[in-house]
Amino acid sequence: NAGVTQTPKFQVLKTGQSMTLQCAQDMNHEYMSWYRQDPGMGLRLIHYSVGAGITDQGEVPNGYNVSRSTTEDFPLRLLSAAPSQTSVYFCASSTTGIVGYGYTFGSGTRLTVV
Amino acid sequence: QQPVQSPQAVILREGEDAVINCSSSKALYSVHWYRQKHGEAPVFLMILLKGGEQKGHDKISASFNEKKQQSSLYLTASQLSYSGTYFCGTEFHFKAAGNKLTFGGGTRVLVKP
Repeated sequence: NAGVTQTPKFQVLKTGQSMTLQCAQDMNHEYMSWYRQDPGMGLRLIHYSVGAGITDQGEVPNGYNVSRSTTEDFPLRLLSAAPSQTSVYFCASSTTGIVGYGYTFGSGTRLTVV
Repeated sequence: QQPVQSPQAVILREGEDAVINCSSSKALYSVHWYRQKHGEAPVFLMILLKGGEQKGHDKISASFNEKKQQSSLYLTASQLSYSGTYFCGTEFHFKAAGNKLTFGGGTRVLVKP
């Protein structure tokens, strides 16, 4: 049982480049979300999805796109990377079918934009 | 709409107790608590759904005062393994309604021998 899998674990980008961070879960969770965590800071919500085909913005959505074509996958696209997007990115999933169920986080992607 | 956590940091000796507080300016549906070790992902500890409900995880427990929109996490007889950063997360609706889980700034806990 893999849980939430994020790839890659580390990435260095040049300013202006684009890339996609991958997130996949094998728990059949309806709810998936992306967070970024800057050094010494809390987690800020970027985008989230309550099911395939349904996405919405979080607190800091600018510069990022998402889509949800399947229940399992929720990729995060950086359109034109900027140094301000240097951060650790976490994907999380949860079920909407059980009241009181927590979120499972992936191990994170450490992104540096130079 | 992010919850506010206090204190920002706590240093304990093994066996001592500590309380971490989380407050919201808006009515809450639930409060989550997570612990994050350095360089790792946050790990779910517990969720509180009803006002006044207390839950426990080992010797870590929490309460939720719905009227005051506050939750507290209690670290009792702390162990070295309790070291890490604790985050509270708050939800205003249930997930299927397009809910967002937003986090406080975290409380760094260091337990010394």
